Amino acid sequence: AQSVTQLDSQVPVFEEAPVELRCNYSSSVSVYLFWYVQYPNQGLQLLLKYLSGSTLVKGINGFEAEFNKSQTSFHLRKPSVHISDTAEYFCAVSALAGGTSYGKLTFGQGTILTVHP
Amino acid sequence: ETGVTQTPRHLVMGMTNKKSLKCEQHLGHNAMYWYKQSAKKPLELMFVYNFKEQTENNSVPSRFSPECPNSSHLFLHLHTLQPEDSALYLCASSQDPGLGGTQYFGPGTRLLVL
Repeated sequence: AQSVTQLDSQVPVFEEAPVELRCNYSSSVSVYLFWYVQYPNQGLQLLLKYLSGSTLVKGINGFEAEFNKSQTSFHLRKPSVHISDTAEYFCAVSALAGGTSYGKLTFGQGTILTVHP
Repeated sequence: ETGVTQTPRHLVMGMTNKKSLKCEQHLGHNAMYWYKQSAKKPLELMFVYNFKEQTENNSVPSRFSPECPNSSHLFLHLHTLQPEDSALYLCASSQDPGLGGTQYFGPGTRLLVL
């Protein structure tokens, strides 16, 4: 089974400041890693995902994340945030193959990012 | 987001009512999902359908009854719900349940059980 821990439930930042949203995971098998964003009154939208290859993954809206296997982390970063980035962000994992967890997304608790002017 | 639609967007029901949530995906995907999103809790996977067959029931109470008549439509039938069932119910679809495929989410149905 997998588990995901998002270390911060809320992150307030000022506009144009950099931000990092932290995600750690636990799994007995190799995993795929995802970051989703949820704007108010909307469903979840994929920001980026890591399947294999380069550990630095670039996504939409200027976000990027780095997979660190030794630290079992997949932190999300943006060098300069905008007011429009205010939303809730979810880290998720799914098992690479096989077993009862195959294909299932396990989500973290979410991090609310609030960007202040 | 318009690839997956959900109706109704909001629903208020009493504990003795019977209602249904509808999800439709226009992406040609083979897999569909129901999730429950409660306040201050991680998203909980409820059901998974792949090629219209249920492949996952995550210990969901029988008062929630899913139906998948084809790969494009998914329903969640509700009856004798409890107030703790109040939540946002999200539908999603993907090309394949595995292989790292992206799940595309609908906007959700906000359910309030009185």
